[in-house]
Amino acid sequence: SQKIEQNSEALNIQEGKTATLTCNYTNYSPAYLQWYRQDPGRGPVFLLLIRENEKEKRKERLKVTFDTTLKQSLFHITASQPADSATYLCALDIGSSASKIIFGSGTRLSIRP
Amino acid sequence: DAGVTQSPTHLIKTRGQQVTLRCSPKSGHDTVSWYQQALGQGPQFIFQYYEEEERQRGNFPDRFSGHQFPNYSSELNVNALLLGDSALYLCASSWTETHTEAFFGQGTRLTVV
Repeated sequence: SQKIEQNSEALNIQEGKTATLTCNYTNYSPAYLQWYRQDPGRGPVFLLLIRENEKEKRKERLKVTFDTTLKQSLFHITASQPADSATYLCALDIGSSASKIIFGSGTRLSIRP
Repeated sequence: DAGVTQSPTHLIKTRGQQVTLRCSPKSGHDTVSWYQQALGQGPQFIFQYYEEEERQRGNFPDRFSGHQFPNYSSELNVNALLLGDSALYLCASSWTETHTEAFFGQGTRLTVV
């Protein structure tokens, strides 16, 4: 069956450390992979998009890698802050002519001061 | 730019009733996708509308239907509500010509009693 798995339901780390979240997928060959942030009771907010021919993408303290051989993406937040506490969602764009974005179940990240 | 707006924000319905949720996409976007998000889960793709037609559909029963209007706004209708339909319903808009991020509304919290 087709799956998107985010390996941790919850991750708790110390402020200032690097948070690393993992997304694994099976039976998909997405051309694009995205990461979103979701705060309680709110809609997801887009963070980063990476294409299948890109190995790594950075934006400020965020870094995403995309390994199409391993079918895995890693999402890193460096110098983490309590304000980074949220649920982070991995999303695959499995559409061909148009986007069709499907989501993993998310990892709830807590940064303790 | 108001972004994606959804109405109502909260709704309580009785089992067996019908409900209509509404979404206005971000200015310039022509594609609307609807998602259902149960507590603690990632958003599940219901369907996508483009040019007033359903273009893609997820694994949801026919009780879930929708519509898109000429101004690109959209409605999600759910008939014969079940207790299990209680969830956060999210609308996302995007521009169909590019594989880019989706912009989400704040969601409608539907409770079926």
